[in-house]
Amino acid sequence: EVQLVESGGGLVKPGRSLRLSCAASGFTFGENAVIWFRQAPGKGLEWVGFIRSKTYGGTAEYAASVKGRFTISSDDPKSIAYLQMNSLKTEDTAVYYCTRSGMDVWGQGTTVIVSS
Amino acid sequence: DIVMTQSPDSLAVSLGERATINCKSSQSVLYSSNNKKYLAWFQQKLGQPPKLLIYWASTRESGVPDRFSGSGSGTDFTLTISSVQAEDVAVYYCQQYRSTPYTFGQGTKLEIK
Repeated sequence: EVQLVESGGGLVKPGRSLRLSCAASGFTFGENAVIWFRQAPGKGLEWVGFIRSKTYGGTAEYAASVKGRFTISSDDPKSIAYLQMNSLKTEDTAVYYCTRSGMDVWGQGTTVIVSS
Repeated sequence: DIVMTQSPDSLAVSLGERATINCKSSQSVLYSSNNKKYLAWFQQKLGQPPKLLIYWASTRESGVPDRFSGSGSGTDFTLTISSVQAEDVAVYYCQQYRSTPYTFGQGTKLEIK
């Protein structure tokens, strides 16, 4: 079964860091980009960023709201992607989702709450 | 950034009736080199992740009922549900993936009348 599972969310104070994971199974992870989205409570969907597959350079792009604070990486042998979030702000509070190229498979999401 | 604007914000439709959701992009999402429109539609039910319904503006994702269809030009798009069922209650989003940042419409909430 093709599956993505996010983990690593939790309650964190402003200014602190958190690392989210996106574990893939059922497909060739390294052939896909990994895209992160988030959804603040009661709000719409927001693109966070993505990392291209190694075939396309393995480079990442980020939304302006997170650029310089968030970093996306991937470990192809482990089929896991990471979203390293530094200098967290209260406005980063959201459910974070990962998906793959084509956006046809999504994880259930992991909740990040940034609050003092 | 490409701004996506959906209308209406909410929609109440009787079972079996047609629902139409519109989406307008501030710039064309057509990529001329491959003649593809980089526009997707997602359905999100309460407490669930988004589900891909339509990509390339009009290609139905595998397993999606054929009552869902997408159409449109470079900047104006439509999601049509030909005969609304109870399980279609959800928020629907259009999204452009022509250029970063990928952007979504604000969402359209579909309810049963």
